[in-house]
Formats: sequence, C-alpha cells, structure tokens
Amino acid sequence: DAGVTQSPTHLIKTRGQQVTLRCSPISGHKSVSWYQQVLGQGPQFIFQYYEKEERGRGNFPDRFSARQFPNYSSELNVNALLLGDSALYLCASSLGYSHEQYFGPGTRLTVT
Amino acid sequence: AQSVTQLDSHVSVSEGTPVLLRCNYSSSYSPSLFWYVQHPNKGLQLLLKYTSAATLVKGINGFEAEFKKSETSFHLTKPSAHMSDAAEYFCVVSAPHQAGTALIFGKGTTLSVSS
Repeated sequence: DAGVTQSPTHLIKTRGQQVTLRCSPISGHKSVSWYQQVLGQGPQFIFQYYEKEERGRGNFPDRFSARQFPNYSSELNVNALLLGDSALYLCASSLGYSHEQYFGPGTRLTVT
Repeated sequence: AQSVTQLDSHVSVSEGTPVLLRCNYSSSYSPSLFWYVQHPNKGLQLLLKYTSAATLVKGINGFEAEFKKSETSFHLTKPSAHMSDAAEYFCVVSAPHQAGTALIFGKGTTLSVSS
C-alpha cells in the first residue's frame, strides 16, 4: 500500500505570496494532520481534520488555513508568506482523529 | 498539559555499542507515548508506541522503550548500534486538542554512530 504522499517536494516563494501544499492520506485513513518543522526543531501541530471537519488548530496565525476533501485528501494554504514560514511541512494520516499518525515525506518551503 | 523533554540534544556512540536516548514526560493522565525517527531530508517514521498495555515496548529495527510511571520516563534503547541508526529521534506524547488529537514533540536527539 502507498504511504502518505505530499506535493510538491520543494517550493520556493517570495515574501507576500501565497502557497498551497497537498497531501493524500493512506488508503482507508479518514484523518489528516499538518505539522510545521523549522530547521533544528521538532514538528509543531498546525491542524487536524477528520471527515472533512476541523478537529483542532494549533497556535498559528489566521494566514494558515486548510481543508479536507471528500476523498480525505487535504490542502494547507498559507497567505502573505513571511521569511519565518520557511520550514518542512509534514502531513500525517490516521484512521481516526485519536489513532496513531503516519507521516509523509514533507514539503520543503523556502521563502525568500 | 502534556509535554516531553528529551534530556540529550546529541548522543554519540560507536557501532556495536548500546544506545540510550532519554525522554521524560509530563501528563495529567495515562499518556500515549511514541518514538519517531527522522533520517536526513526524510519524513518521520514511527519506531514504537506505548498505549498503557505492556510497559516494555518493542519497536522496529531492534529498538525498545520502557514506560516508567514512577520516574515519568520513556527512554529508548538498542543493544547494538548500527551505522544506519544515525538520525534524529523524537519523543512524542499524544494530547487531546480541542475536538481532536495533537502530537507534542520533544526537541529531538541527534544520534551519531561512528565506526
């Protein structure tokens, strides 16, 4: 079975631009979570979705938004990019919102 | 509130010697604890999990961890290190967050293995 897939792998944007990151969960998994990993630190929770509804949001500004589609894939959107948004963005999928989470390879976002 | 503290930012061992990566947790109830590994430029791989069953948990690649409630610890061990074990290791606690669940990560421990 395919694992969690994320696209694109790498992305370079300039300050003020908007970006959309995509995630496809493991087949059968209905929950997707997003994490931001800044270089040299552990991942930080951004969002969790289950059955297309937001179940939790971390301490991130409103510039960050997400949604989950009927096929359980998900998009993370970041508006008005700042240099500090440069990070590895990780998507994790799970059967339900309280089950163990399996991570994708991540999208490396560089903001210049 | 739930949190984890990884006591060492960097651990260096020789190939064939034991590995010990230390983690203390804080939780107001019986926690779900995990260890994840991250190789350079890769995503996170689940090594093992503790969810209130056996206190000694066996994971992949010969790793195991012991949950000690009295010490609030969940240390990761391996009897004999391989070069391929060199990576970043994260101790993680699962915490209820609003209507869902969030993983709370430690700051990570870099494991270096020399020949």
